[in-house]
Amino acid sequence: DADVTQTPRNRITKTGKRIMLECSQTKGHDRMYWYRQDPGLGLRLIYYSFDVKDINKGEISDGYSVSRQAQAKFSLSLESAIPNQTALYFCATSDSGQTTNEKLFFGSGTQLSVL
Amino acid sequence: QKEVEQNSGPLSVPEGAIASLNCTYSDRGSQSFFWYRQYSGKSPELIMSIYSNGDKEDGRFTAQLNKASQYVSLLIRDSQPSDSATYLCAVNMGSYIPTFGRGTSLIVHP
Repeated sequence: DADVTQTPRNRITKTGKRIMLECSQTKGHDRMYWYRQDPGLGLRLIYYSFDVKDINKGEISDGYSVSRQAQAKFSLSLESAIPNQTALYFCATSDSGQTTNEKLFFGSGTQLSVL
Repeated sequence: QKEVEQNSGPLSVPEGAIASLNCTYSDRGSQSFFWYRQYSGKSPELIMSIYSNGDKEDGRFTAQLNKASQYVSLLIRDSQPSDSATYLCAVNMGSYIPTFGRGTSLIVHP
């Protein structure tokens, strides 16, 4: 079944550590996104990529970086983690080939805790 | 700043009733509107999309769009306890990426 896979599912780290969250997809979609979700704040966009050579900042990109290693892989890095980056992180994909290409398909999420 | 507003709830309805979830948005030029359902601890899942004024029905779900009033709603008929979840409104406001509201928590009690 075509899917969006995030690893790890849970991660606990310490302030100042560098960590990477990974996302891979078998849907064949060209567009990929990273969101974070905090209680009561909904989903906020961190970075997005419309193809392998395209990287764009979202509304809350400070403190994060991304890499689009292939069409199917999009990783999110926290260069020096801080406690207010504790959140639930979602990777999502969409297909520009669809007429309604804004439909997003989400991975299962990564719960990150920064101590 | 472009915004999507939802009442955070919780909205509590009895089983079998109609649940009405509302959403307003700030960009009058918005063209695409979505409702996602998110169960606790799970990822959001698209349940409805609507692109033109009026109603769109899919099973027990009806999405309603009024662009003049910048208002989109989701009605859930014959609500079931399994409908208990957070419902996220998302609006495409000028870019190709939806902006999400904060979500409304729905509780359907037996």
